[in-house]
Amino acid sequence: DGGITQSPKYLFRKEGQNVTLSCEQNLNHDAMYWYRQDPGQGLRLIYYSQIVNDFQKGDIAEGYSVSREKKESFPLTVTSAQKNPTAFYLCASKETGGNNQPQHFGDGTRLSIL
Amino acid sequence: QKEVEQNSGPLSVPEGAIASLNCTYSDRGSQSFFWYRQYSGKSPELIMFIYSNGDKEDGRFTAQLNKASQYVSLLIRDSQPSDSATYLCAVSSGSARQLTFGSGTQLTVLP
Repeated sequence: DGGITQSPKYLFRKEGQNVTLSCEQNLNHDAMYWYRQDPGQGLRLIYYSQIVNDFQKGDIAEGYSVSREKKESFPLTVTSAQKNPTAFYLCASKETGGNNQPQHFGDGTRLSIL
Repeated sequence: QKEVEQNSGPLSVPEGAIASLNCTYSDRGSQSFFWYRQYSGKSPELIMFIYSNGDKEDGRFTAQLNKASQYVSLLIRDSQPSDSATYLCAVSSGSARQLTFGSGTQLTVLP
């Protein structure tokens, strides 16, 4: 089945540790996105990529890093510089052809601090 | 700073009633407008999108867009308990069509 796979579903981070969240899609979408959602809040954009080997910062990129070496994959690293990483992280993708393509989401990763 | 505002709720309606969810946005250059439904602990799922002024209907759902008033709404007819969720309004703008999300409206449909 086509879709967006995020792993792991739950992740725990120790102080000073970097952790990487995986996002893979087999929808042949060019654009991919990472969002953060805090309890009772909407989604905030961390990073996005419209094409392989290129990505741009979103509204809250500090303390995060990404790579886009393959069209299918857009991993997010939460670095030790991110002092408040506990949140629900969502990856999305969409086609770039046409102006009104919707974004579709993976099931998310919940990150907590130990 | 692009802003998307939603009535925060919570909103409660009886089963079978019409639920009305509202959203305003600040960026006049916004092109497309999306409604997502998010059940507790789950990821958002697309309900509808609209990009032209007027109404767009899909089953029990109707999206309404008024660009002059910078207002978009979602009507849910014959509301069911399974419609109980948080509804997120998202607005697309910019050259990369980034989405800006509102904080969501929590809807409860009472049996």
